[in-house]
Formats: sequence, C-alpha cells, structure tokens
Amino acid sequence: GAGVSQSPRYKVAKRGQDVALRCDPISGHVSLFWYQQALGQGPEFLTYFQNEAQLDKSGLPSDRFFAERPEGSVSTLKIQRTQQEDSAVYLCASSLFLRGETQYFGPGTRLLVL
Amino acid sequence: QKEVEQNSGPLSVPEGAIASLNCTYSDRGSQSFFWYRQYSGKSPELIMFIYSNGDKEDGRFTAQLNKASQYVSLLIRDSQPSDSATYLCAVLSEPNTGNQFYFGTGTSLTVIP
Repeated sequence: GAGVSQSPRYKVAKRGQDVALRCDPISGHVSLFWYQQALGQGPEFLTYFQNEAQLDKSGLPSDRFFAERPEGSVSTLKIQRTQQEDSAVYLCASSLFLRGETQYFGPGTRLLVL
Repeated sequence: QKEVEQNSGPLSVPEGAIASLNCTYSDRGSQSFFWYRQYSGKSPELIMFIYSNGDKEDGRFTAQLNKASQYVSLLIRDSQPSDSATYLCAVLSEPNTGNQFYFGTGTSLTVIP
C-alpha cells in the first residue's frame, strides 16, 4: 500500500473488555514498531518486530498487552481486560531497515476506555 | 531520568526567523538521531536523521549533533506558519535484546505570521 494503515481509527471500550488493534505496514518493510502516545507526551516504545520475530517487548506495560506478527506483515496489538489508564493513541510504524531507521507512522488508533 | 529530554515549550518565533529546537539524551552509546514533526491530531512524520557529529542540512532544516555533549538540535530557517507543530526528538538505542526508539515529549513551535 501507499502507507502504513491502522484499524480501527477510534475505539471505545468498556473497562474489562478485550481489544485488538491492527497495523498494515508498508509492503516490504521488515521492521515494525508499536508505540503508545498519551496526550501531550511523545510516543512510548512498546514492542518491535523484525519480520515475524518479536525482538523486543520490554516496553509493554503489563502482561495484558500482547503483540504478534505471524507472517511478517500485518501486526495485531491486543489488550486484555482494558483499564482506563490504557486510554491513549496507539501508533504503528514500519521501516525498510532492520534497525528501524526511517520509520513511517500510521495514523494511529485512538483508544478510549470508559 | 528520561532517556530523551526536550524543552516542552511552547516556543514562539515570528515568520521568517530561525527556530532552534534542542534535545539531550542519556545513553552515550546511542548511534542514530531523528527529528519528527507532529501536527495536532496527526501521526509523526520524519523530517531528518543524523548519525555523525556536525551539521546536516536539508532545505530549510539543519540538524546538529554533538555526541560528546549528548546533544542534538534542529534549526528551522525562514520559519513559516505551516511549521507550527510539535517537534519530537528520537534516539535509537540498541540494547542486547533488540532495538528501542526513545522519543522526547516534544517541543511545541508556533510561528507567528
């Protein structure tokens, strides 16, 4: 595709509900990153994939957060038993390079947990 | 201590002036440095990256890197109202387990017509 796409763009969840956020990276991009951005803050690193391998998940805030990229393309970030503090914009970025330089960001998914 | 520090601003400059944005980082082993622009409600977009000490120029933008001082800056010449946005500094750190990009909180820039 022309750019990174994410869906849904907006998600309202009740506390305790599970959500799944999807990222379609630019075709051929090997690196994929997930970030969480709270209002007025910079993006916070969550996890990083190189093709289908999740090389770093140290930024995931709790074991309620899980990410996968089974075929090395589309990625899903899943949040179980959502809490109000999970409300944020979730950004996905992809890069042609193994180390993740020159990342292109998707439009983000704005998650609101009530 | 946060990995990447930026003055949150807001920074206001008149149209046509030079805007100077600054960033410091804590990991002395960091190798790659990036500046992103983020308009309100939009996702970040890459402006420039720099790997080596010194200056790198691209149009109206100049990135400056001083690894000894752990300092990176972005200069915007002939600032335009369309440059009004939040500017994010990002640093690539490579711990043994993989790669991590650390972003600062961003500096809000307003260019006054």
